[in-house]
Amino acid sequence: GAVVSQHPSRVICKSGTSVKIECRSLDFQATTMFWYRQFPKQSLMLMATSNEGSKATYEQGVEKDKFLINHASLTLSTLTVTSAHPEDSSFYICSARGFNGMNTEAFFGQGTRLTVV
Amino acid sequence: SQQGEEDPQALSIQEGENATMNCSYKTSINNLQWYRQNSGRGLVHLILIRSNEREKHSGRLRVTLDTSKKSSSLLITASRAADTASYFCATDAGGQNFVFGPGTRLSVLP
Repeated sequence: GAVVSQHPSRVICKSGTSVKIECRSLDFQATTMFWYRQFPKQSLMLMATSNEGSKATYEQGVEKDKFLINHASLTLSTLTVTSAHPEDSSFYICSARGFNGMNTEAFFGQGTRLTVV
Repeated sequence: SQQGEEDPQALSIQEGENATMNCSYKTSINNLQWYRQNSGRGLVHLILIRSNEREKHSGRLRVTLDTSKKSSSLLITASRAADTASYFCATDAGGQNFVFGPGTRLSVLP
């Protein structure tokens, strides 16, 4: 199956700093990428949807100025958590959707655990 | 809206037993995927079953899909302690995002 790579897998940062998380589709072109957040022992919640070359669409309650998403190419999307605070500590996961010749399919990255101290 | 919902939410079994988890969804889908997540770790893709398929196997995993009932099941045979994890189903309706259920927390006791 298609591979989606997320980097870094773990990051610890100081409160007030910004952190960038990358999501890459390795063997297909991702027309759409999705960013999810997961709180401990809970399911994944969609944060935003991004299409290559256009602005991301954020879910209700997600601050777009706090979570900057850039989808500059068909293989790379980035999520930047700006001015991070301890409450931003969470598990962030991306998924990428691409065309496989018949339908579009989406696959997930491994996730990034962010800890803000 | 919640799409994939797993059942049961928690399951404890003895090593060697089979574990069955179910997933129900609400709208038409292109495919359904099962993922495993070990505590504090990322998602591991287990298996993808397309809407025109009824059953798929991968090692000790068996997945069924019943599109008329909008449900899927994941069977893990001869479970091992290492299978202890949370299991999520994710439905792909093509063009829309995945929506996850709360997952099934499986505990396999040695």
